[in-house]
Amino acid sequence: GAVVSQHPSWVICKSGTSVKIECRSLDFQATTMFWYRQFPKQSLMLMATSNEGSKATYEQGVEKDKFLINHASLTLSTLTVTSAHPEDSSFYICSASTGRGNQPQHFGDGTRLSIL
Amino acid sequence: EDQVTQSPEALRLQEGESSSLNCSYTVSGLRGLFWYRQDPGKGPEFLFTLYSAGEEKEKERLKATLTKKESFLHITAPKPEDSATYLCAVRRSQGNLIFGKGTKLSVKP
Repeated sequence: GAVVSQHPSWVICKSGTSVKIECRSLDFQATTMFWYRQFPKQSLMLMATSNEGSKATYEQGVEKDKFLINHASLTLSTLTVTSAHPEDSSFYICSASTGRGNQPQHFGDGTRLSIL
Repeated sequence: EDQVTQSPEALRLQEGESSSLNCSYTVSGLRGLFWYRQDPGKGPEFLFTLYSAGEEKEKERLKATLTKKESFLHITAPKPEDSATYLCAVRRSQGNLIFGKGTKLSVKP
């Protein structure tokens, strides 16, 4: 149980393109979803937290107009990187939680984004 | 400032050579400490949650323990398939997780 699917797993695109990444909880309802960014040999850095049906809460320093997050249902959240540039290249990982008590976050397998 | 520090950064073991990974933390309003395993190019896989000092959890060759300042992940008689990066994270009172940088474990046959 507690499977989180992330798609696509790898994206290569030109500078200026917008890229959408999907995160789905397959066998549970995710009240809360999280988006992280990970650089090589670095820890996961939380970008934003989204609760179903409400606006995402962004961490300090994360541009909300650049990283658009939508959490329209209890099983799907999307992250859109708008007008992506080479410095946006990274490993993006989503996680999902039921939001009840101290349940752990369950992670997707990440999306490797490369902007040329 | 809330912080999670893992040591060592990398650990090389021979198959069968037991060892421990450390996770030291400072956080206000701890709401749980989590251990994850991450394989290259993959997302973290949940291993354990610990909530209070003195608590222990076990799964196969892994055992996690917790004190008021740190947690240990003990690996008994590791196998090559245990090779991965092990991440420690603490949940703050606000509900979000703070991750350490991880310990990269390599187990040689």
